[in-house]
Amino acid sequence: TQLLEQSPQFLSIQEGENLTVYCNSSSVFSSLQWYRQEPGEGPVLLVTVVTGGEVKKLKRLTFQFGDARKDSSLHITAAQPGDTGLYLCAGGGNYQLIWGAGTKLIIKP
Amino acid sequence: DSGVTQTPKHLITATGQRVTLRCSPRSGDLSVYWYQQSLDQGLQFLIHYYNGEERAKGNILERFSAQQFPDLHSELNLSSLELGDSALYFCASSVGTGVGYTFGSGTRLTVV
Repeated sequence: TQLLEQSPQFLSIQEGENLTVYCNSSSVFSSLQWYRQEPGEGPVLLVTVVTGGEVKKLKRLTFQFGDARKDSSLHITAAQPGDTGLYLCAGGGNYQLIWGAGTKLIIKP
Repeated sequence: DSGVTQTPKHLITATGQRVTLRCSPRSGDLSVYWYQQSLDQGLQFLIHYYNGEERAKGNILERFSAQQFPDLHSELNLSSLELGDSALYFCASSVGTGVGYTFGSGTRLTVV
């Protein structure tokens, strides 16, 4: 059974600080995606990484796929209140994505 | 607008009742996925349809059923509702399997 573990489960920091969220598994995934979900809304796809060691940047967000394609990280530089939300990672499976439980991020002004 | 349309947005019903949630996928997407999300919980996969055929089942209760129609819209039927079925129900669509999903804005079901 493929599982994705996200850490931390909850993070509350001040505006301007940096943070890293992790997504780990013992399984290899063909791709890994990160989504952000705001309360009462559906998750929105941020990025897809497919190659081991791949790094993608989206403004202040940096996503990395592990060399062995078993783990990924999301780093946010100079966090802003608008970054607040639930961050979910999901790994590509045969017929569906395998989802992590999410990291709830709160950025305090 | 994500391109995935879910109706209704809100639904309040009594225990024991039956409801139908509807989803229209993004144009061109053949896959439809249904998820349940309870308060402060992660996404629980229910079922996946591809071009009208069931492809995968997750933790879907026997009281729940779904189908995808020839025009690719999908319906999730929930029957004999219990208080614990209160949750957000999301539909997502994708071009294929294992690729990025586009989610709808969800149906918030409240069972009283």
